[in-house]
Amino acid sequence: DAGVTQSPTHLIKTRGQQVTLRCSPKSGHDTVSWYQQALGQGPQFIFQYYEEEERQRGNFPDRFSGHQFPNYSSELNVNALLLGDSALYLCASSLGPQGISYGYTFGSGTRLTVV
Amino acid sequence: GDSVTQMEGPVTLSEEAFLTINCTYTATGYPSLFWYVQYPGEGLQLLLKATKADDKGSNKGFEATYRKETTSFHLEKGSVQVSDSAVYFCALSDRDDYKLSFGAGTTVTVRA
Repeated sequence: DAGVTQSPTHLIKTRGQQVTLRCSPKSGHDTVSWYQQALGQGPQFIFQYYEEEERQRGNFPDRFSGHQFPNYSSELNVNALLLGDSALYLCASSLGPQGISYGYTFGSGTRLTVV
Repeated sequence: GDSVTQMEGPVTLSEEAFLTINCTYTATGYPSLFWYVQYPGEGLQLLLKATKADDKGSNKGFEATYRKETTSFHLEKGSVQVSDSAVYFCALSDRDDYKLSFGAGTTVTVRA
């Protein structure tokens, strides 16, 4: 049973560029959440997608956008990259928007470096 | 808003030592509390959870008790192994919320 799959694993981009990160949820899960983890810090919630809609958003600018597809997979897009966007981006899937009962499953992340 | 404060690291221990990582929280509602572990190069794994006051979560020898009166969820293990070396995150999720709010993480290194 595959867990959460994220691609790519590593990425280097230049300031001002745009990037797309991808996530396939664990089998049986229908909800995807995205987190940004800066070096030495805890993950920060970016947004969550359920039923192809953004259900909740954290304190991130509009440069961060996302999408969920009918097969429940998701993309995270970041425009006009800044040096400060360098981080590990984690995807978490769950059954339903509130993962309290059944838990969130995290992927291994995409390491984004902006130069 | 909701927040989690956990003990700063790094923490270095010898094998078979006792481990405690302090975690306190601030929440407007009645949150569920979690401990996640992150091994080098990997994503987060749920270690244990508690959903209401006085609940005790336990897994792999780790324990934490939801203390509403002190707003705490301290992680403990009686005898650590080298394989317990990792970063540990305390987190909460409020009942009307869809997100996890994490602490900054505590790096634990266990030496043989």
